[in-house]
Amino acid sequence: KQEVTQIPAALSVPEGENLVLNCSFTDSAIYNLQWFRQDPGKGLTSLLLIQSSQREQTSGRLNASLDKSSGRSTLYIAASQPGDSATYLCAVRRGNDMRFGAGTRLTVKP
Amino acid sequence: DAGVTQSPTHLIKTRGQQVTLRCSPKSGHDTVSWYQQALGQGPQFIFQYYEEEERQRGNFPDRFSGHQFPNYSSELNVNALLLGDSALYLCASSLAGSSSFGETQYFGPGTRLLVL
Repeated sequence: KQEVTQIPAALSVPEGENLVLNCSFTDSAIYNLQWFRQDPGKGLTSLLLIQSSQREQTSGRLNASLDKSSGRSTLYIAASQPGDSATYLCAVRRGNDMRFGAGTRLTVKP
Repeated sequence: DAGVTQSPTHLIKTRGQQVTLRCSPKSGHDTVSWYQQALGQGPQFIFQYYEEEERQRGNFPDRFSGHQFPNYSSELNVNALLLGDSALYLCASSLAGSSSFGETQYFGPGTRLLVL
């Protein structure tokens, strides 16, 4: 059974700092891995999707990497801003369902 | 281009009651998935509908059922509500047929259900 773990559960950083969020999964037979952002009480916004054959994806200040063999992914956020404060979730997909981690709650202080 | 919409936004029910949640997929999408997100947890997959059939189901009891209509919209029904059913229910849509399930799922804003 696929288990997805995100560390840390919460993170607080000053504005401008670069940071890394971690995601690990137990079954490497995945189709893709996706990082989402969730604001309090809201739905999920897709940030980056990495196919199983890819190693990384970049969008603006965000960079996500995927190492299937070790069952790990990282989300790198450069020059963090208060508007980045949210919960970040990773999800792996195999078949028609997605398995999510519990998320990392990020707070960026002005 | 309308994204995924869900109704209602909030709902309060009592134990034992039944509830129906609704979802309209993003324009052009034909597949709808439902997720349950308890407070402080990641979403958990309930089931997915494609061509008006349940295509895959997660580890949820038969009290959770669904339906997909010819226009691709979908309903989630929960019978005999329990306190533990209180959660944010998320709907996601995608386009079937994309290779290797590589397509992105687009999520709606969710329906917050509180069972008293």
